[in-house]
Amino acid sequence: DIVMTQSPDSLAVSLGERATINCKSSQSVLYSSNNKNYLAWYQRKPGQPPKVLISWASSRESGVPDRFSGSGSGTDFTLTISSLQAEDVAVYYCLQYYSTPRTFGQGTRVEIK
Amino acid sequence: QVQLQESGPGLVKPSETLSLTCTVSVGSISTYYWNWIRQPAGKGLEWIGRIYHTGDTNYNPSLKSRVTLSVDTSNNQFSLNLKSVTAADTAVYFCARESTSNGYPYYFDYWGQGILVTISS
Repeated sequence: DIVMTQSPDSLAVSLGERATINCKSSQSVLYSSNNKNYLAWYQRKPGQPPKVLISWASSRESGVPDRFSGSGSGTDFTLTISSLQAEDVAVYYCLQYYSTPRTFGQGTRVEIK
Repeated sequence: QVQLQESGPGLVKPSETLSLTCTVSVGSISTYYWNWIRQPAGKGLEWIGRIYHTGDTNYNPSLKSRVTLSVDTSNNQFSLNLKSVTAADTAVYFCARESTSNGYPYYFDYWGQGILVTISS
């Protein structure tokens, strides 16, 4: 199984400031034949299912605010919220879809400082 | 807009079988892969397994011995059976669709709201 490890487990950021979440996979999720990273980022708010924000490591889903961005390749990835808004308080998860079993990071809780 | 809705009992006794159904609205259950994912309170997300409309399945090895997935294309539903449950199986269970391109499954793009299943006598 590919183990996904996120850091930090939680962070508190002031409104308008940058939030950065890291995700590291135990093996590369870069598929060499198409040069795509099989990595997605999800946001989960209380009482709601996870919502996909980013796919292919850096492709923002339709309707997702552009303050959310993804970067990285191979085994190291980052989700950045450029200017934290109150509605961004949530738990964020990375997912690898390079292989089965699909595996998620343990989650990073983002709060307002 | 694809919609998924989980249904089933919210309380199951230890050693019995947990059975849930996911109903897919708007669109056909064909072409895509359909998944079950769970999240115990205060813990992370765990992928249980997936099924294709043909009935082909993939399971998480950690649960494979206890899980059976099935699909009912005529009713646009797929189901989860998890046998010999214990308190450790208490979780919110989600059904989810895997996005697909050229027949290959990728990330989860649509999710049900989730259903809390508690294992208790």
